[in-house]
Amino acid sequence: DTAVSQTPKYLVTQMGNDKSIKCEQNLGHDTMYWYKQDSKKFLKIMFSYNNKELIINETVPNRFSPKSPDKAHLNLHINSLELGDSAVYFCASSLVGGEEQFFGPGTRLTVL
Amino acid sequence: GNSVTQMEGPVTLSEEAFLTINCTYTATGYPSLFWYVQYPGEGLQLLLKATKADDKGSNKGFEATYRKETTSFHLEKGSVQVSDSAVYFCALYNQGGKLIFGQGTELSVKP
Repeated sequence: DTAVSQTPKYLVTQMGNDKSIKCEQNLGHDTMYWYKQDSKKFLKIMFSYNNKELIINETVPNRFSPKSPDKAHLNLHINSLELGDSAVYFCASSLVGGEEQFFGPGTRLTVL
Repeated sequence: GNSVTQMEGPVTLSEEAFLTINCTYTATGYPSLFWYVQYPGEGLQLLLKATKADDKGSNKGFEATYRKETTSFHLEKGSVQVSDSAVYFCALYNQGGKLIFGQGTELSVKP
């Protein structure tokens, strides 16, 4: 019954490694998002995909690459991880042009 | 540009106290406004919303009224419970299709 799911829930890794976070939604939505929440709880959008097409790309380092194999999935790949990448990453989805977004439980990434 | 400003937290209240969390916004046009809640260890959930001026959103005893003249959307609840302890985010939806969040206000309710 999970609407928006993310894996893994926790991710601890060393600087310089490459890692991926997966997101899936079963709500039939066309639009998916990635957000980053920093240690002060500030939440900022990183990317948005509409039916597998990138529509929002905020000022995010090139080391971050979203990939959408189909409209129900939006994965986030991060190359050459840095200490500053430590955060909670949230996936979300909505209908096209929909204002209400549904969030996943988050992935806490810790870079050592 | 668009932005949302919330009152600083943490806010600590006793059970059954009255809650107000202030939220003001800056935006072009007339954005829709939202309150999201994040319980410990969980993702954000939509709490309530309002799409035009003077609309009142309400859910689970929480209310907020869209005030265009003061560009505000303050969250209120008449009697908080321990289970309301969470981080509350005010947000606006702009014409570019983005949700712009405030910095979040942590609420702690003590029995």
